[in-house]
Amino acid sequence: GQNIDQPTEMTATEGAIVQINCTYQTSGFNGLFWYQQHAGEAPTFLSYNVLDGLEEKGRFSSFLSRSKGYSYLLLKELQMKDSASYLCAVLDSNYQLIWGAGTKLIIKP
Amino acid sequence: GAVVSQHPSWVICKSGTSVKIECRSLDFQATTMFWYRQFPKQSLMLMATSNEGSKATYEQGVEKDKFLINHASLTLSTLTVTSAHPEDSSFYICSANRGDTEAFFGQGTRLTVV
Repeated sequence: GQNIDQPTEMTATEGAIVQINCTYQTSGFNGLFWYQQHAGEAPTFLSYNVLDGLEEKGRFSSFLSRSKGYSYLLLKELQMKDSASYLCAVLDSNYQLIWGAGTKLIIKP
Repeated sequence: GAVVSQHPSWVICKSGTSVKIECRSLDFQATTMFWYRQFPKQSLMLMATSNEGSKATYEQGVEKDKFLINHASLTLSTLTVTSAHPEDSSFYICSANRGDTEAFFGQGTRLTVV
């Protein structure tokens, strides 16, 4: 079956760095997305990786290793507003989105 | 865990016809559902927010007469693409909120208009 795993919850301190991991087993691969979702709001796009390596966008970076079925989202210089759920999703060979359950990130002062 | 089911997964239709996509929350009641559109390898674009028993709220630039949304019950929302054209070919995704903090996504519907 198809599966996306990510931690349920993580806690970090304001100003610190946090890495949210995502492992996947899917039938084919056409890219991996990371989304941020604040409570009660629609998710917003953070990143898309289809090739191995690190993509950096300001305070957020996303890494992909296709051979390992692994990705991470790295958040630097954490701010209180970064408290949210972070969703990992993979596009499979049929271009269907397989979603992780999301990681709730709690930022403490 | 909560499951959101979208149907159909794939649909091919002729230009000018209408297509209905269903989004069901299988084990919870969803007062709010969201409809998204995603072009290949691009971000999700929020199309509209569907509230049970009331009219949907459409995002700017989304034609409400073309993309009809009906949220008739707490477990079902439908998106009808009317008079579909090839440019409507895309990947449509729904999500359903359980409470205020949990969102669950459907597997998406790939629409191809020929």
